Amino acid sequence: KAGVTQTPRYLIKTRGQQVTLSCSPISGHRSVSWYQQTPGQGLQFLFEYFSETQRNKGNFPGRFSGRQFSNSRSEMNVSTLELGDSALYLCASSLATGSSGVDTQYFGPGTRLTVL
Amino acid sequence: AQSVTQLGSHVSVSEGALVLLRCNYSSSVPPYLFWYVQYPNQGLQLLLKYTTGATLVKGINGFEAEFKKSETSFHLTKPSAHMSDAAEYFCAVSEGVNQAGTALIFGKGTTLSVSS
Repeated sequence: KAGVTQTPRYLIKTRGQQVTLSCSPISGHRSVSWYQQTPGQGLQFLFEYFSETQRNKGNFPGRFSGRQFSNSRSEMNVSTLELGDSALYLCASSLATGSSGVDTQYFGPGTRLTVL
Repeated sequence: AQSVTQLGSHVSVSEGALVLLRCNYSSSVPPYLFWYVQYPNQGLQLLLKYTTGATLVKGINGFEAEFKKSETSFHLTKPSAHMSDAAEYFCAVSEGVNQAGTALIFGKGTTLSVSS
């Protein structure tokens, strides 16, 4: 079974621009989460989508948004880019079966965003 | 709010030596705990997870971790280090379960170096 895929893998943008990152979850997985990884702040949760609805959100400004499509694929968008948005953006998918316990999150390779 | 503290941002061991990576958590509810490994320019790979039941959890590549509620710890160990174990290791706690979302709260990470 194919793993989580993220496109593009690398991206360079300038301040003020906007960017859209894409994530395709493992087949059958219904939940997609996004994380930002930076040297200073480490790994931080952005948001989670399940059945096309945002079900959980981290502490990030409104410039960060996302959506999920009916096939569970997800996109995240960052508007008005700032230098501090340079980071590795990781997507993770999980089954979200609804059973007791916590589903394992499987991570993609990430998109490296550089803002100049 | 839940949090994770990883003691030691950098651990160095010799090949064949014991690996011990420390993780302490804070949680007001029974935690779900995870260890992930990240190799350079890659996403996160799950090593092991604790949900309920047996407190000694065995993972991939010879790693194991023991959940100690009294010490709020979930330290990762491997009896004999291999050069291929050199990577960054993250301890994480889950903030929610299924319907409430499954955001992971990560520690700052520990870089493991293995020398021959």
